[in-house]
Amino acid sequence: DAGVIQSPRHEVTEMGQEVTLRCKPISGHNSLFWYRQTMMRGLELLIYFNNNVPIDDSGMPEDRFSAKMPNASFSTLKIQPSEPRDSAVYFCASSLFTYQETQYFGPGTRLLVL
Amino acid sequence: AQRVTQPEKLLSVFKGAPVELKCNYSYSGSPELFWYVQYSRQRLQLLLRHISRESIKGFTADLNKGETSFHLKKPFAQEEDSAMYYCAPTPGANSKLTFGKGITLSVRP
Repeated sequence: DAGVIQSPRHEVTEMGQEVTLRCKPISGHNSLFWYRQTMMRGLELLIYFNNNVPIDDSGMPEDRFSAKMPNASFSTLKIQPSEPRDSAVYFCASSLFTYQETQYFGPGTRLLVL
Repeated sequence: AQRVTQPEKLLSVFKGAPVELKCNYSYSGSPELFWYVQYSRQRLQLLLRHISRESIKGFTADLNKGETSFHLKKPFAQEEDSAMYYCAPTPGANSKLTFGKGITLSVRP
């Protein structure tokens, strides 16, 4: 298994543009997590899916952020419109069941909004 | 309220020296605690979790409920231990992890 796959690895965009980040979890894992990492705030959980259903989205910063998981093997995190303060590294992680299980992280997407 | 505190951002030691990476949490009861590590150019990965009571790569972490701490320790640091370390407690079952800000460990030859 290649582990959690994220694309793109790097994204540079201009303020106001739509950004879509993609994640493929490990096959067989039932939980998927999106995190954002910044110097100021560290690693923050944005949203958690279990069996493709959003369970906890309390970390989603505002309406500009949305996440979907249409099936067990794919999830997207969308920012529309993007702002410079969204610049960060976005990680996707998956686990077998819930929070309590080991989370396996993807390589991250480094986003820069100009 | 801050639920996990890693008070130091950087720890630099020489090879062979003991290492203690501090972590304090503010949950009551019986939290579950994890340490994750990110080596240079690698993914964030689990190092150890409290419930398993394992020693991974020579690291151990003891839960001290009185001090609400879960410090990570290694008696003799190696250069390959240089990495970013994150403490991540959760209040209990079905509760999300909260990651600390992380600490960079630098082990010099």
